[in-house]
Amino acid sequence: EADIYQTPRYLVIGTGKKITLECSQTMGHDKMYWYQQDPGMELHLIHYSYGVNSTEKGDLSSESTVSRIRTEHFPLTLESARPSHTSQYLCASSDRGYNSPLHFGNGTRLTVT
Amino acid sequence: AQSVTQLGSHVSVSEGALVLLRCNYSSSVPPYLFWYVQYPNQGLQLLLKYTSAATLVKGINGFEAEFKKSETSFHLTKPSAHMSDAAEYFCAVSSINTGTASKLTFGTGTRLQVTL
Repeated sequence: EADIYQTPRYLVIGTGKKITLECSQTMGHDKMYWYQQDPGMELHLIHYSYGVNSTEKGDLSSESTVSRIRTEHFPLTLESARPSHTSQYLCASSDRGYNSPLHFGNGTRLTVT
Repeated sequence: AQSVTQLGSHVSVSEGALVLLRCNYSSSVPPYLFWYVQYPNQGLQLLLKYTSAATLVKGINGFEAEFKKSETSFHLTKPSAHMSDAAEYFCAVSSINTGTASKLTFGTGTRLQVTL
């Protein structure tokens, strides 16, 4: 049962457009994450947050930005989409604790034409 | 620094056969280890996790994994494959990081195919 929701599931958009990928969770988790996934590649962490008003960049450099104004909401924004941004974006959340597993949404598959 | 290596990007087994998916890790501190499964067009779902308790960890859907420190391995097994096991499997390692957010490092994944 999905307690973390991502919208849209699929998005095809032209170069230069501004887009926001939505992510919401109902579990009250403090930690939230954005991963980028390309076929045959490992998941790369691009942003994470460990609470309201805290965001950090991940291991993979990304032109996207994030915000965390509310615990349950962690949107990702691209100001000007490019074909190189074409990928699957996965949002996740976890409870406190270093061994807490991640709960993933179903992802947003973004195609920039 | 931590890293994960999954040997074999594709594994094919017959229905009813043993499933073995390999994972080796590198971590400078005692690790937490996870296996996730991803079905087509879905996010990742936790199969099982190792957190320094028992070295043999049982997960969902009949999967289990054994932590072997001497081999730095955490291989995933299932005695008898089912068609519904066909999916992508990811091994991941986490360790205490500076700051309050632990970060998972994922392997490149192994696609499991189950044939009749």
